[in-house]
Amino acid sequence: GQNIDQPTEMTATEGAIVQINCTYQTSGFNGLFWYQQHAGEAPTFLSYNVLDGLEEKGRFSSFLSRSKGYSYLLLKELQMKDSASYLCAVRDRRPMTTDSWGKFQFGAGTQVVVTP
Amino acid sequence: KAGVTQTPRYLIKTRGQQVTLSCSPISGHRSVSWYQQTPGQGLQFLFEYFSETQRNKGNFPGRFSGRQFSNSRSEMNVSTLELGDSALYLCASSFGQGARNTEAFFGQGTRLTVV
Repeated sequence: GQNIDQPTEMTATEGAIVQINCTYQTSGFNGLFWYQQHAGEAPTFLSYNVLDGLEEKGRFSSFLSRSKGYSYLLLKELQMKDSASYLCAVRDRRPMTTDSWGKFQFGAGTQVVVTP
Repeated sequence: KAGVTQTPRYLIKTRGQQVTLSCSPISGHRSVSWYQQTPGQGLQFLFEYFSETQRNKGNFPGRFSGRQFSNSRSEMNVSTLELGDSALYLCASSFGQGARNTEAFFGQGTRLTVV
């Protein structure tokens, strides 16, 4: 089975940096995803990590340590529009396979509130 | 290029009825996955289809089923509806093969209310 933990809520000031941590336990591993979801809207893809290390994409960066079952999403130069829920998701690996088809499990989401 | 299209956007059904939801993926995408989102349980994976075959399935009862057509469009069906099935049902599409099986694009969802 799988278990994904992330903080429920984080508050930060416009222009600051926020780091959202995600820990997971999974049977096999086929990648970790971060999504952003504004209230009343569908999730949008932010990043994908399958190897250890840091992936940078503009103001957003995502880090993965597979041995520790740990990832974080770093949001820099926060803007008011970054106020949203951030979802950590893990794709596991089907037993006895090496393919990329695995089940997704999502964390409950971290609500980031950006204040002026 | 058109995004993921889900129909209908809103639906109200009575307990015991059945419902069919539709998802048209982005052109060229062959993988479609379905999710249920509720305030209490968050986003939960239902199933994923690629090339008309179910590739994996989440932990939902057999009342939840789906299929994918040759044009990659997908439908999910929920039979014998229960009040607890009230949720936002989201579908996501991706290329679905190898290294390209990563980024998924979500539709706006179907808001199902069971009364």
